[in-house]
Amino acid sequence: DTGVSQDPRHKITKRGQNVTFRCDPISEHNRLYWYRQTLGQGPEFLTYFQNEAQLEKSRLLSDRFSAERPKGSFSTLEIQRTEQGDSAMYLCASSPLWSQETQYFGPGTRLLVL
Amino acid sequence: AQSVTQLDSQVPVFEEAPVELRCNYSSSVSVYLFWYVQYPNQGLQLLLKYLSGSTLVKGINGFEAEFNKSQTSFHLRKPSVHISDTAEYFCAVSGAAGGTSYGKLTFGQGTILTVHP
Repeated sequence: DTGVSQDPRHKITKRGQNVTFRCDPISEHNRLYWYRQTLGQGPEFLTYFQNEAQLEKSRLLSDRFSAERPKGSFSTLEIQRTEQGDSAMYLCASSPLWSQETQYFGPGTRLLVL
Repeated sequence: AQSVTQLDSQVPVFEEAPVELRCNYSSSVSVYLFWYVQYPNQGLQLLLKYLSGSTLVKGINGFEAEFNKSQTSFHLRKPSVHISDTAEYFCAVSGAAGGTSYGKLTFGQGTILTVHP
């Protein structure tokens, strides 16, 4: 049983570029969550999906951010026109239908915007 | 809306000593409570959770936590720590099943536990 995987693990980009991250949840987990963690802080909720439906988005998720989960399996998080303030660890988590309150986290994608 | 306050940003302790990491929460609805551990450059690993029932919950690696509804606290304890317990620990809360914030975790700012030999 593999855990949640995220790709890439690290990304360095220049301000103004677009970046896309991928998350593969644990097989058969119907919920998928995205969080952002900045240095010295706890993770902050960004958005979540139940199957392919995006059910909630945080106010933190500006118009430059978009997330998709087209087939209810993997998800992508895209940031357009990156800013230095987007530098953070982006964490993905998933939870199963039978225990939706318990989230299993991936290793994260660390983004550095220069 | 919910919030979590971890009262200590850093806790140094000697190996084999007991430790308590403090967590207080605020919520207007029934909640579930969690403790996660994060090792450097890794994701979060669930240590334990409180959903209902017994207020004393036991988790992995010898950790336990006690839910105190009147004090809105969920402190994490371990009777004897090891060097390998050095990590950052996060307390988190979500609304209980049926509520609007069910499944959405709100985290505290974290407590860095450093175990010295």
